[in-house]
Amino acid sequence: AQSVAQPEDQVNVAEGNPLTVKCTYSVSGNPYLFWYVQYPNRGLQFLLKYITGDNLVKGSYGFEAEFNKSQTSFHLKKPSALVSDSALYFCAVSLYSSASKIIFGSGTRLSIRP
Amino acid sequence: KAGVTQTPRYLIKTRGQQVTLSCSPISGHRSVSWYQQTPGQGLQFLFEYFSETQRNKGNFPGRFSGRQFSNSRSEMNVSTLELGDSALYLCASSPSNSYEQYFGPGTRLTVT
Repeated sequence: AQSVAQPEDQVNVAEGNPLTVKCTYSVSGNPYLFWYVQYPNRGLQFLLKYITGDNLVKGSYGFEAEFNKSQTSFHLKKPSALVSDSALYFCAVSLYSSASKIIFGSGTRLSIRP
Repeated sequence: KAGVTQTPRYLIKTRGQQVTLSCSPISGHRSVSWYQQTPGQGLQFLFEYFSETQRNKGNFPGRFSGRQFSNSRSEMNVSTLELGDSALYLCASSPSNSYEQYFGPGTRLTVT
């Protein structure tokens, strides 16, 4: 069965510093990997995806993620954090070629201090 | 384009009652998925509809059901509500053969 783990419940970073939100996955085939962000009282917003190709994926708001097949990881990164990046971040994995039946991680709360 | 809309945004029901939630996808999107979000269980997939047919289903009891209309609007129904059904219910729509989901703001259901 496929699963995704976000080992950190919370990540605290100072504004201007680089940030990393970790994600590891477990699937029996080739994964489709996603990152979503959720702001308070809002639905999820799509940030980026990895389907195939270049291991470094660039997404919205300056975020990027690196697919590492040997370590089964898909960490989210940003070179310089903004206070406005503070939110709940979800990593997700799917084996299917459509967007359906995605399995989400438990979420990581990112807090950027001024 | 207008985003995904969900109605109502907030709902309070009593245990044993039933509830219907509505989702209007982005124009042109034919796939609609539903998720339940709770602090304890996180985000869990309920089901997905595509062209009025249920395409995938998560591991939820039969009390949870849904449907999709010809205009792609979708409803989900929960019968015989339990306290544990209190959650944020999120709807997401996707264009055909796309990997990206666009989420609505959710309906927060409280069961007392």
